Amino acid sequence: GEDVEQSLFLSVREGDSSVINCTYTDSSSTYLYWYKQEPGAGLQLLTYIFSNMDMKQDQRLTVLLNKKDKHLSLRIADTQTGDSAIYFCAEADSGGGADGLTFGKGTHLIIQP
Amino acid sequence: NAGVMQNPRHLVRRRGQEARLRCSPMKGHSHVYWYRQLPEEGLKFMVYLQKENIIDESGMPKERFSAEFPKEGPSILRIQQVVRGDSAAYFCASSLEVRYTEAFFGQGTRLTVV
Repeated sequence: GEDVEQSLFLSVREGDSSVINCTYTDSSSTYLYWYKQEPGAGLQLLTYIFSNMDMKQDQRLTVLLNKKDKHLSLRIADTQTGDSAIYFCAEADSGGGADGLTFGKGTHLIIQP
Repeated sequence: NAGVMQNPRHLVRRRGQEARLRCSPMKGHSHVYWYRQLPEEGLKFMVYLQKENIIDESGMPKERFSAEFPKEGPSILRIQQVVRGDSAAYFCASSLEVRYTEAFFGQGTRLTVV
């Protein structure tokens, strides 16, 4: 079945760049997403990328997709304390619907002062 | 335009009781999705509904769980005869079309079974 893998923790110093990695198995994945979850809160869609793209940049966020290796990464430049959260990678084999999004277990981003 | 509203935010039930979780989608959204997040786990898809129709319930446990999205009113996720293993955060998302790129999540209902 479909599977999405992420490392559980990442610790970075404030001001450095954070790189959160994700691998997936479903070769028919069309859309790949990054969600942010702050403590006790719901999920916030940060960004997404279509499978025919290699890179997407949005202010401090850069998403890189290596479709051959089924590897997705999220880079957060100039990491701030407000970036402390759990980051979920997710994939869908279409724009949505039938079988829903498949999520990884999430990466806890810890910011050191 | 309020976001996706879920209530209650926290729900405590004793084993054997029923739990009802409500989700009001964003205004104009007719597609609703329910997900469950177990402790230290990612979200798992449960069910996808449109108004008055269940489109895909492949992620729903076969027993005790049901969902509806009536013509009027919120979507309801019902869990009958709850057990400790049902303790989790339940998230609802809604979208205007069938596109996760435009899906918005609620803040979730945290169910605790004691």
